[in-house]
Order: sequence, then C-alpha cells, then structure tokens
Amino acid sequence: QVQLQESGPGLVKPSETLSLTCSVSRGSISAYYWSWIRQPPGKGLEWMGYIHYSGTTNYNPSLKSRVTISIDTSKTQFSLRLTSVTTADTAVYYCAREIPIAVAGERGAYSMDVWGQGAAVTVSS
Amino acid sequence: SSELTQDPAVSVALGQTVRITCQGDSLRIYHAGWYQQKPGQAPVLVMYAQNTRPSGIPGRFSGSISGNTASLIITGAQAEDEADYYCNSRDTSGNHLVVFGGGTKVTVL
Repeated sequence: QVQLQESGPGLVKPSETLSLTCSVSRGSISAYYWSWIRQPPGKGLEWMGYIHYSGTTNYNPSLKSRVTISIDTSKTQFSLRLTSVTTADTAVYYCAREIPIAVAGERGAYSMDVWGQGAAVTVSS
Repeated sequence: SSELTQDPAVSVALGQTVRITCQGDSLRIYHAGWYQQKPGQAPVLVMYAQNTRPSGIPGRFSGSISGNTASLIITGAQAEDEADYYCNSRDTSGNHLVVFGGGTKVTVL
C-alpha cells in the first residue's frame, strides 16, 4: 500500500516562503495526481493544488499567485512552495494521491485514496 | 458553480441511520468522494464513485446520488462513526480544479 509522508519546517516567519515535501513510499509516483490540501485550526479542508505525474499542475485560484508544486520522480517525492505567508496560512498541510476512477454512466470520478499524516505549520514571528 | 454545500452538523442515535448530504452543480458531472476525519487524524476515504467502499470500510456505509446531491448514509451508526465528513469532486469550470464541501460534524448520541 502506497504511503505518503510530509516533511518540512513547523515554523515559518511572516512574509517568508513555506516549503514542504511529500515522500512517496511503497509505490510509484509515476502515475495519477498528487495534491496538497490544508486545514486551518478548527476549519475545513482546502485544496491547494495538484501536480500530475507528467508535470502538469493545477492550482486553487485563491492561492495561484503564491503556490508552486513540483515533482521529482527520481526521488519519488513532490513538493509545495507557498510564498509571502501570513498568519492565515497557519494550518495542517496534507499531501494526498488522487486517482481517476473508471465508472459506468455519465459522471466521472476521482478520489483521494491515500493521505499523509499531515504536517502542522505555524506562521509566526 | 464550483461550490459543494454540506450541513454543518447532524446527530444520530446509536444504531440508527443518518444521511449526510453534499449539494453542488459539479455533482451532475462528477461523483463525490467522501472522507471521514476524526480529531487529530488525517482524512480517510470512505466512499467513492457513488457507492463504492474502499477496502476496510464497514458495510454500514453506503452512498447515493440524485441530480446535484450526493449522500453518504450510515445505517446502524456506531460510536466510532462520530467524526467530520467531507465531500469533494472536480469542479464545473472545465479547468479540472478540486473542490471540497465545508464538512459535516456527525455526533452519535
């Protein structure tokens, strides 16, 4: 079973850049979509963006100017960079694998079937 | 619309049935995924493609969809089902963005 593990600093200063890495083990990174999702304290899940194994990226429009997701297939990891952070970026950051599901009928389907345990990041001076 | 709407909270008596709904235009195009999140833990996929359970998810969880509303149904709710539940799907913009519902807190009484 594929496993994901986030790593990176737990404390970032305002206006600086938050960087996290998600390591993929027990499986290949050369397929599917790889997402970052965050959850501020006491709030819901917010999708930040994904990178397809081919390198194509897609970002939440609300974060697009500040977010970059990259992938290193040789290291089986993908990374998140969030620039110009503020206290509003304090959250638990999750990485997840999203897979397309073949289903009968008119609707498409994607599901995030594997998640990392999360990395708590605090933005504070 | 790219939004998914969930009721903030529902409660269910132990052993009874609860339906958690997720409404949005994107659900006319995409099936919802459903995620269970317990305090201090990462979300776990519990339902996808309308009514398919990942391995290890109990059979008391089922799903349905009608029009723009997806439902996650827990039949015979157990104490361990108390959690936050989130739905998600791709959006309708044509840009293949991902959207999450705001989450539903399920309390088992």
